[in-house]
Amino acid sequence: KAGVTQTPRYLIKTRGQQVTLSCSPISGHRSVSWYQQTPGQGLQFLFEYFSETQRNKGNFPGRFSGRQFSNSRSEMNVSTLELGDSALYLCASSLGLEETQYFGPGTRLLVL
Amino acid sequence: GQQLNQSPQSMFIQEGEDVSMNCTSSSIFNTWLWYKQDPGEGPVLLIALYKAGELTSNGRLTAQFGITRKDSFLNISASIPSDVGIYFCAGQATNSGGGADGLTFGKGTHLIIQP
Repeated sequence: KAGVTQTPRYLIKTRGQQVTLSCSPISGHRSVSWYQQTPGQGLQFLFEYFSETQRNKGNFPGRFSGRQFSNSRSEMNVSTLELGDSALYLCASSLGLEETQYFGPGTRLLVL
Repeated sequence: GQQLNQSPQSMFIQEGEDVSMNCTSSSIFNTWLWYKQDPGEGPVLLIALYKAGELTSNGRLTAQFGITRKDSFLNISASIPSDVGIYFCAGQATNSGGGADGLTFGKGTHLIIQP
């Protein structure tokens, strides 16, 4: 069974731009969570989607948003990029809420 | 918010030695997970623990869910070069709505093995 896939793997943007990252969960998994990983803050939870609805949200500003499609694929969007948004963005999928999460390889975003 | 204290921050050991790392929290978690992350990759699940007191093994890895539900440890026996990487603990708690929160991660333990 294929694992979680994320596209693109690498991205360079400039301050003020916006970016959309994509995540395809493991087949049959209906929940998708997003995390931000930085050297200073470590891994931090952004949000979780299940059945196209946001079920959980971490402590990030409204510039960070996401959505989930009927096939469970998910996208996250960051608007008005700041230098501090440079990070590895990880997507994790699980069969359902409160189930074990499996991570994708991440998208490395560099904001210049 | 919840925080996990993971220690040690880094370990320099000889190949063949046993390794032990742990995580503690000031709040209760219902699930403890241990992940390993290699450079440029996402975390890979090693062991999942769902019940207080549970002791689970996965090959040379053994992890336990503390009785108080506020701590967990991971042991690696007879380390080999491919064990090099960053190990993360993660806890999942119940939120005020009765559902599960997103995972809370420790800062990681860097394991470096000298041949």
